[in-house]
Amino acid sequence: NAGVTQTPKFQVLKTGQSMTLQCAQDMNHEYMSWYRQDPGMGLRLIHYSVGAGITDQGEVPNGYNVSRSTTEDFPLRLLSAAPSQTSVYFCASSYSGQGYEAFFGQGTRLTVV
Amino acid sequence: GESVGLHLPTLSVQEGDNSIINCAYSNSASDYFIWYKQESGKGPQFIIDIRSNMDKRQGQRVTVLLNKTVKHLSLQIAATQPGDSAVYFCAENTRNYGQNFVFGPGTRLSVLP
Repeated sequence: NAGVTQTPKFQVLKTGQSMTLQCAQDMNHEYMSWYRQDPGMGLRLIHYSVGAGITDQGEVPNGYNVSRSTTEDFPLRLLSAAPSQTSVYFCASSYSGQGYEAFFGQGTRLTVV
Repeated sequence: GESVGLHLPTLSVQEGDNSIINCAYSNSASDYFIWYKQESGKGPQFIIDIRSNMDKRQGQRVTVLLNKTVKHLSLQIAATQPGDSAVYFCAENTRNYGQNFVFGPGTRLSVLP
């Protein structure tokens, strides 16, 4: 049981490049989310999904796209990377209902130069 | 806007002493709170949760206290150990993003030998 798996662990992009951060979970969780973590600011919600085919925006969605074609996968796309997107990105998943604490992946450290 | 927590403080405690980490939240409608622990290079891990209809909840060596009157959460760690060194985040479910949480900036706990 791997839990939440994120790839890659590290990535350097040039301004304007695009890329996709991968996230997969094997717990059959309905909820999946993407957060970014910046120094001194905790984690901020980018996008989330309540099930396959359903996504919604979080606190800081601009510059990011998501899709949820399967229960297991929730990729995060940066269409045109900017230095302001330099951050550590965490994917999380959770059950729906009582006790819905989030299980987090190990994170992807992204640097945009 | 709503916010949880203060700027990132650091708490240093002697091994074996008790630790108290505090957190302020601003959304009185929040009904579910979680404390997470994040070790260096890892994703946040669930420690303990509490619902708004409770004042106190105990786990193994940890206790969470909720004071709704002043919108304050605390995490108490008994007999602090070196393995407790990490950044601790409080998170609240504001209901603005489904089951997702608003995180505070965190508190760094350093355990001195």
